[in-house]
Amino acid sequence: DIQLTQSPSFLSASVGDRVTITCRASQGISSYLAWYQQKTGKAPKLLIYAASTLQSGVPSRFSGSKSGTEFTLTISSLQPEDFATYYCQQLNSFGGGTKVEIK
Amino acid sequence: QLQLQETGPGLVKPSETLSLTCTVSGGSISSNIHYWGWIRQPPGKGLEYIGIIYYAGSTSYNPSLKSRVSMSVDTSKNQFSLKVPSVTAADTAVYYCARQSSSDAFDFWGQGTMVTVSS
Repeated sequence: DIQLTQSPSFLSASVGDRVTITCRASQGISSYLAWYQQKTGKAPKLLIYAASTLQSGVPSRFSGSKSGTEFTLTISSLQPEDFATYYCQQLNSFGGGTKVEIK
Repeated sequence: QLQLQETGPGLVKPSETLSLTCTVSGGSISSNIHYWGWIRQPPGKGLEYIGIIYYAGSTSYNPSLKSRVSMSVDTSKNQFSLKVPSVTAADTAVYYCARQSSSDAFDFWGQGTMVTVSS
């Protein structure tokens, strides 16, 4: 089974900050990694699929990249509506989540 | 616009069977490029992949849950379902249904339904 390790599990940031979240896969078997944003009480929302493709309607400040078995989600300039929990997913596994809170 | 809606009891007694249905509207479940999945989230915790089903009936389950869950599809009703027998308190969670695209990402989600296991 693939294990996805997300880091950090929590981060505190300010509006306008550049934020980076990492997801490391235990095996390098696929480039099909997705990133989701989840707000409290809501279903997750797909942000990025296939590691770096932006889902339709998602702001361009979100981007994704891949290097070996490490995947990165970057928010170039954090906005108030971006404070949420972020998850990565590959095949039948989800990462543990990264909660982004206001500093 | 594709919509998914989970339905089922919000309270299930321990050792009984949890049964949920997801109704798809605004599109056909009989798509040859999509799978249909279930994901759950215990209170205050992260997401757990349960499994996916193709319209023709083939399934793939999370190995950690494989012996405990089953999924089925009813194309005539545009629905797919989940059953979890012999539930315990550990099965208490929000259960989501979702569509899986060809890139393995879940691009459309239901709003989720809370299921509590308690006597």
